[in-house]
Amino acid sequence: AQSVTQLGSHVSVSEGALVLLRCNYSSSVPPYLFWYVQYPNQGLQLLLKYTTGATLVKGINGFEAEFKKSETSFHLTKPSAHMSDAAEYFCAVSDKGGGADGLTFGKGTHLIIQP
Amino acid sequence: DAGVIQSPRHEVTEMGQEVTLRCKPISGHNSLFWYRQTMMRGLELLIYFNNNVPIDDSGMPEDRFSAKMPNASFSTLKIQPSEPRDSAVYFCASTGNYNEQFFGPGTRLTVL
Repeated sequence: AQSVTQLGSHVSVSEGALVLLRCNYSSSVPPYLFWYVQYPNQGLQLLLKYTTGATLVKGINGFEAEFKKSETSFHLTKPSAHMSDAAEYFCAVSDKGGGADGLTFGKGTHLIIQP
Repeated sequence: DAGVIQSPRHEVTEMGQEVTLRCKPISGHNSLFWYRQTMMRGLELLIYFNNNVPIDDSGMPEDRFSAKMPNASFSTLKIQPSEPRDSAVYFCASTGNYNEQFFGPGTRLTVL
């Protein structure tokens, strides 16, 4: 069975500082990995995804993530935080690409940006 | 494109009543998913359809929950009878390319 662990239910960083949100997964097959962002009272929006190929993937809003198979990790980073980045972030895993089956989500990390 | 459309956006009902949530996927998408989000359990997959056919409903919590997809442009999630512990935000998502699920805005259900 798949599972996703997000370390830290809340992460606080200063505006302009590095953002690092951690995600570890377990999967019995090569995984498809996703990061979604959720703003208050809204649905989820895809930030980036890893399917195959290059392990460093770039997404929207300056975010990127690196797939590390040996560490079973897919941490999300952004070099410089902006106030508009304050939101809930979810890491998710799929065995079949996120469309042929459902996504398994982590519990989420609430990102707080300090002015 | 209007994206995934869900209705109603908010629903308040009393315990024991029937609740029906509705979803219109993005035109051309052939897979549809229902998720539930709660503080305690996070985001959980309830059921998903491929080409209008239910593929996996193992996430449906109880027989009180049922979902249908009568055609490619419409799906419903029904709870009968509803209970206070069903209070949650219910999301519908659709995909056509197997690499990205597009989520609707959700329906916030409150069962009193």
